[in-house]
Amino acid sequence: NAGVMQNPRHLVRRRGQEARLRCSPMKGHSHVYWYRQLPEEGLKFMVYLQKENIIDESGMPKERFSAEFPKEGPSILRIQQVVRGDSAAYFCASSPMTGDNSPLHFGNGTRLTVT
Amino acid sequence: DQQVKQNSPSLSVQEGRISILNCDYTNSMFDYFLWYKKYPAEGPTFLISISSIKDKNEDGRFTVFLNKSAKHLSLHIVPSQPGDSAVYFCAASAGSARQLTFGSGTQLTVLP
Repeated sequence: NAGVMQNPRHLVRRRGQEARLRCSPMKGHSHVYWYRQLPEEGLKFMVYLQKENIIDESGMPKERFSAEFPKEGPSILRIQQVVRGDSAAYFCASSPMTGDNSPLHFGNGTRLTVT
Repeated sequence: DQQVKQNSPSLSVQEGRISILNCDYTNSMFDYFLWYKKYPAEGPTFLISISSIKDKNEDGRFTVFLNKSAKHLSLHIVPSQPGDSAVYFCAASAGSARQLTFGSGTQLTVLP
């Protein structure tokens, strides 16, 4: 787990504020995946990115959520105008490349609480 | 629509005995299956995987069995240890897609 770095570990936001979650993949990994875990549920896929490209965002809510993975720096998951239902643990995972059957490595997550 | 189901939210086992965690799936396109273990306040940690071309994969105390016709897989842990107490997630993917579909997890408690 230590290889994928997520920050902050905990984030508290009031309704209507913006939340920014950061993820630095493992060294040598160029693919990043974001998952969300609601209380008492499994992880749900949100978005899959390569550097400067969104590959699959089929799990992202249509509004208020966006993700990027710039050429330099971490991947960012951005939630605008947060609502209480956005309170969850957000996990990032990385992998070296597609077609490689190595398992995804997850970070320790960011726990977002919306008050 | 839950494509990966773990019907037992919790399981308690005595130390030294076998733990069997079950998982069912509905999507016949899934061809790669994984088990992750998760401690509180940590991310999921990969445990073991199996490709659909196999029906069994073993790694130390952990064995995963896949029954494609029943769309069922199971994780056997033997002997179980108190340190195995965690939430276990079953996950699946299809083809070259790396996105994983997770089950809702089973809380395993190994009693000393």
